[in-house]
Amino acid sequence: EAGVVQSPRYKIIEKKQPVAFWCNPISGHNTLYWYLQNLGQGPELLIRYENEEAVDDSQLPKDRFSAERLKGVDSTLKIQPAELGDSAVYLCASSLAGTNTGELFFGEGSRLTVL
Amino acid sequence: TQLLEQSPQFLSIQEGENLTVYCNSSSVFSSLQWYRQEPGEGPVLLVTVVTGGEVKKLKRLTFQFGDARKDSSLHITAAQPGDTGLYLCAGEYNFNKFYFGSGTKLNVKP
Repeated sequence: EAGVVQSPRYKIIEKKQPVAFWCNPISGHNTLYWYLQNLGQGPELLIRYENEEAVDDSQLPKDRFSAERLKGVDSTLKIQPAELGDSAVYLCASSLAGTNTGELFFGEGSRLTVL
Repeated sequence: TQLLEQSPQFLSIQEGENLTVYCNSSSVFSSLQWYRQEPGEGPVLLVTVVTGGEVKKLKRLTFQFGDARKDSSLHITAAQPGDTGLYLCAGEYNFNKFYFGSGTKLNVKP
């Protein structure tokens, strides 16, 4: 069974440019998360989806970040315009809702470098 | 804002030594998970603890959930170089909402 797939793995852009990341969760997983992870630190939640609904986006910087999960399957996370401080790894995870101890399955992440 | 604080932040030990990593919070969690992450990869689940006071063992790893479900510890016996990685605790705060700790970077030298 395929795991969580993310692309691109690496992206280098100039500041003020836009960037987009894509995530395809494990088939059947209705909960999808986007996390931001700085080097050597724990992931920080950006947004959580239950199917196509964003149920928790309180930590998403909405002035420059946006996300969508139109059909409740794959998702995109966009930054426009990017700033130097956005350099980090963006992790996507999915889980099977309905259990209160759901394991999060992570993709390999998309590493963003903003110059 | 980190709801969960881990200590120590870094740990470098020799193969065969024992170690304990702590995860503390002022919040009560319905469950707590421990993950291990290697460079260039996403975190991978090691264990989930649910009940206050619960102890789980996974080979040389022992996990404990505090009685008040606010803290947890991970103990590794006779560490091996293959244990090297970033260890993360994650507390479930409300249904399906997971907050991660600050991480403990472990290096086990042969």
